[in-house]
Amino acid sequence: DVQLVQSGADVKKPGESLKISCQGSGFTFGSFWIGWVRQRPGKGLEWMGSIFPGDSEATAYSPSFQGRVTFSADTSISTAFLQWHSLEASDTAIYYCARQRGGSDYYFDLWGRGTLVTVSS
Amino acid sequence: SSELTQDPAVSVALGQTVRITCQGDSLRKYYASWYQQKPGQAPTLVIYGKANRPSGIPDRFSGSGSGDTASLTITGAQADDEADYYCHSRDITGSHYVIFGGGTKVTVL
Repeated sequence: DVQLVQSGADVKKPGESLKISCQGSGFTFGSFWIGWVRQRPGKGLEWMGSIFPGDSEATAYSPSFQGRVTFSADTSISTAFLQWHSLEASDTAIYYCARQRGGSDYYFDLWGRGTLVTVSS
Repeated sequence: SSELTQDPAVSVALGQTVRITCQGDSLRKYYASWYQQKPGQAPTLVIYGKANRPSGIPDRFSGSGSGDTASLTITGAQADDEADYYCHSRDITGSHYVIFGGGTKVTVL
């Protein structure tokens, strides 16, 4: 099956670090941009940025998230990662990864189920 | 960077037609894509490109656009269509940046 499988929910304290994952299957993972999308409780979708796993130097960060998170990928296990070095309560949200398509007009055609991250003291 | 503006909520009677709009400068240059999100679920792509539907999306969903506005139309709305709908496009700068609209809650009466 073509799918993105995300890591399970996590609960952290402010200041702690966290790395969540998104593993692709059924397609050539290294050939597609993978986007990360945040959804805070009761709020809309926010694009955080994207990474091209076939070239981990190829990344694009939303200005709203630049410096706060880090994207990485390992094509040998078809997995992309989203990492925080110091979480804040405001990072509490569901984080989705999604496969990006389109040569000129981008769209996300395949989504993971999301990872719920709760940051609370 | 660009912004995409959507009405927060619309309602439609069962079986009737509803149009959801999305406005932004980037839509003069790039097509919008549309996503349906039901409570507790991940978003699902319903329209992309000029007006393409992914496999499995009912043909009651259609997309269109003119100038700085894109529209998603549900013709013959069903109870199952009650959800949040988000538009999305590439940023007008042409970089890898993308943007989402704020979302429209569709209620089927």
